Amino acid sequence: QVRLVQSGSELKKPGASVKVSCKASGYTFTNYAINWVRQAPGQGLEWVGWMNTVADNSAYGQGFTGRFVFSLDTSVSTAYLQISGLKAEDTAVYYCARENPGDYIDHWGQGTLVTVSS
Amino acid sequence: QSVLTQPPSASGTPGQRVTISCSGSSSNIGSNYVYWYQQLPGTAPKLLIHSNNQRPSGVPDRFSGSKSGTSASLAISGLRSEDEADYYCAAWDDSLSGRVFGGGTKLTVL
Repeated sequence: QVRLVQSGSELKKPGASVKVSCKASGYTFTNYAINWVRQAPGQGLEWVGWMNTVADNSAYGQGFTGRFVFSLDTSVSTAYLQISGLKAEDTAVYYCARENPGDYIDHWGQGTLVTVSS
Repeated sequence: QSVLTQPPSASGTPGQRVTISCSGSSSNIGSNYVYWYQQLPGTAPKLLIHSNNQRPSGVPDRFSGSKSGTSASLAISGLRSEDEADYYCAAWDDSLSGRVFGGGTKLTVL
């Protein structure tokens, strides 16, 4: 079955960086794009962006350009989200999610809580 | 402020039928498919409806989706206690060139 397993919770200080991993299994990793979605505490879902797992192209949602960077290691079927210059308002659960060829998200990782606090 | 507008809350009693609305614009719902996700407390979202009204395998037929113009709706019939969750609509937005979500609707089963 399709599984997306994310790395564990992180506690970081403002200004630091964090790298969240998302390991896929149960399907051919390079056949599906990966999306990242953010959910701040008690809030709704926000689209961080999307990365093609074959070609080297990606797109970032509004407000997620510059400090947010996607990367891949296809040899281990893993996607990464790196956030630099962390701010308190980046505190949230970050989800990776598989994008179906029909251009919609069909499977989600369990989420990674990133807490930014001094 | 979410691009897609949902009521913050909805409620019903067991066995009832409830609907959750999602309002957008010509650049998102008006020209693209709508998707619905269910998020049970403390868990990741789960795909409930894709392509306006299609249920993935394993989703009960108590859940149905519809779309008209720039609005969409999720209907849940035969309401059960385990349906208590947050529900989100989503669509692609051509103007923003990105995926957009509704603010979510918290469904309470009384």
